[in-house]
Amino acid sequence: GAVVSQHPSWVICKSGTSVKIECRSLDFQATTMFWYRQFPKQSLMLMATSNEGSKATYEQGVEKDKFLINHASLTLSTLTVTSAHPEDSSFYICSARDNWNYGYTFGSGTRLTVV
Amino acid sequence: DAKTTQPTSMDCAEGRAANLPCNHSTISGNEYVYWYRQIHSQGPQYIIHGLKNNETNEMASLIITEDRKSSTLILPHATLRDTAVYYCIVRADSGSARQLTFGSGTQLTVLP
Repeated sequence: GAVVSQHPSWVICKSGTSVKIECRSLDFQATTMFWYRQFPKQSLMLMATSNEGSKATYEQGVEKDKFLINHASLTLSTLTVTSAHPEDSSFYICSARDNWNYGYTFGSGTRLTVV
Repeated sequence: DAKTTQPTSMDCAEGRAANLPCNHSTISGNEYVYWYRQIHSQGPQYIIHGLKNNETNEMASLIITEDRKSSTLILPHATLRDTAVYYCIVRADSGSARQLTFGSGTQLTVLP
């Protein structure tokens, strides 16, 4: 089946620094990937849609200059949290549509803690 | 995409069938019912999806009512590892990739 690999699985960074999260589709090509954020005891909230070779589309309320998305190839999308602050601490999850079950495969998530 | 309503939480005894309901009374004719689950601190995992016929795979069965306004996910022999939040999502499969919109889901706790 389809596999989406997400790294790192957890990261702790200091306030004001930037963190990059990678999302790779291992056995299929993904022209579109999605980035979600999940706060404790809440559901997943879509942050942005990442399109290969073009600019990402951000959901209302998500700062595009703070959450930089790059989708340079059909198998890799990255999310960079710039100038991270403690309120950015969250669980970040990527997903991509696969052609195996016509569903969506998710990465294992990245737990970001900003101290 | 049509809205879905699920119970907040359910318990199930280990080894018994877990039946998770989902109400989607405003579903359109071209919208599929998808089920995903999320084990704590992991990404969501695809379980099953269907349009109007009942579906079964190695993980679960999906029963969709004839009017398609509700469905039930059945885990035939629940194990402790099935403890997770289960999400019922309704959306059209237009052929292009669009995001999945997650509701609050059902927290299923399988008890020993």
